[in-house]
Parts: sequence; C-alpha cells; structure tokens
Amino acid sequence: KQEVTQIPAALSVPEGENLVLNCSFTDSAIYNLQWFRQDPGKGLTSLLLIQSSQREQTSGRLNASLDKSSGRSTLYIAASQPGDSATYLCAVGDSSYKLIFGSGTRLLVRP
Amino acid sequence: GAVVSQHPSRVICKSGTSVKIECRSLDFQATTMFWYRQFPKQSLMLMATSNEGSKATYEQGVEKDKFLINHASLTLSTLTVTSAHPEDSSFYICSARAPGAGVHYGYTFGSGTRLTVV
Repeated sequence: KQEVTQIPAALSVPEGENLVLNCSFTDSAIYNLQWFRQDPGKGLTSLLLIQSSQREQTSGRLNASLDKSSGRSTLYIAASQPGDSATYLCAVGDSSYKLIFGSGTRLLVRP
Repeated sequence: GAVVSQHPSRVICKSGTSVKIECRSLDFQATTMFWYRQFPKQSLMLMATSNEGSKATYEQGVEKDKFLINHASLTLSTLTVTSAHPEDSSFYICSARAPGAGVHYGYTFGSGTRLTVV
C-alpha cells in the first residue's frame, strides 16, 4: 500500500529565504507526482506535475525534483514571499489515476 | 485552463437529512472524477472514483449506501451524503483529470464544500 510522507509538517521562515519541502513515498511504481498548494478552507491549486519518466519541473520560483528509485521528491521555493504561506501537499498518482496524498507541510513566510 | 466548479461551498444541515454536492468540469469532459474528504489539519483521503455512465468505485471503508455518487454526464458528478450525522462533518473536494500539456497536465480540483451537520 502506497504511503506518502511529508517533512517537515510545519515551517516558518523569514521573507526572502530559499526553502525545500520534502516528500517521500514507499512504492516507486508511480505514474506521476504532483505538488499542490492549499490555502485555508480552500481547494487545491496545482503547482507542478512530474511524470514518472521526468526528473524535475520548473515554474517560476518553484522547482520540483523526482527520484523514483529512492522514493523522494523535493519542492524548492526560491526567494520566498509572504504570499507563499499555505499548506503544500505532495501526491503520487498510479496508473488508475488515483492520487495518494501526503499530510502536507504548513508554510508560514514572515514579512 | 481546466476548471472544476464545486457547489455549494458551504452547507449546514440537520442530522438525519441528506445533502447533495455537485462537481462540474466547465471547459472539458471528464469521464472520471474523484471525491476526497479532508478532516481539519489532515490530508485528503480518496473516498471514491466516479465513472461516467457506470457505478462508482469506493475505497475500502467508505460506505457506498451513505455516500451516493452519480456521474450521469461527462461534465457532472454528484455526491449525496445520506442521513448525515455530525461525524460526517468534513471538507469534501472533487477533482478531475484535466487534459493539457506541460507542467500543469494532471488533476484539477474543485474549491471544496464545507459540510457541517448539526
């Protein structure tokens, strides 16, 4: 059974810092991995999607990497801003399009 | 981009009543939609996979008679919480696999429905 773990559970940093969020999964037979952002009481916003054949994806200040063999993904946020404060969720997808989510990292970027 | 609309955003109902939540794909057809449940400060748990024109597939531990799913068209799936009880109070989110390309090809989520059963 696939299990997804995210570390740290919470993170507080001053504005401007570069930071890394970690995601690990137990079964390397994944179809893709996706990072989402969730604001309090809101739905999910897709940030980056990495197909199983890819090693990384970039969008603006965000960069996500994938190492299937070790069961790990990282989300790198450059030059963090207060508007980046949210919960970041990692999810792995299997061939039936199901997503298994991690428990998330709650990020606070202090002005 | 692909948009999934979920309605209502909030609903308060009395214990024992039923509540219907709608999930619509606005600019694409979704043969498969997914329903998730999220408790406070916890992650999303997949409840069921909604398949257009056929029965939904429920995850282990999810009562199919309590959480009725109907996917009658390529753009609409509904989740009905029947005989709701306070323990059903939660945040329900639907998603669909959206067509696209590049970094955002993947899943699009609705804005969620906060259900409170009193």
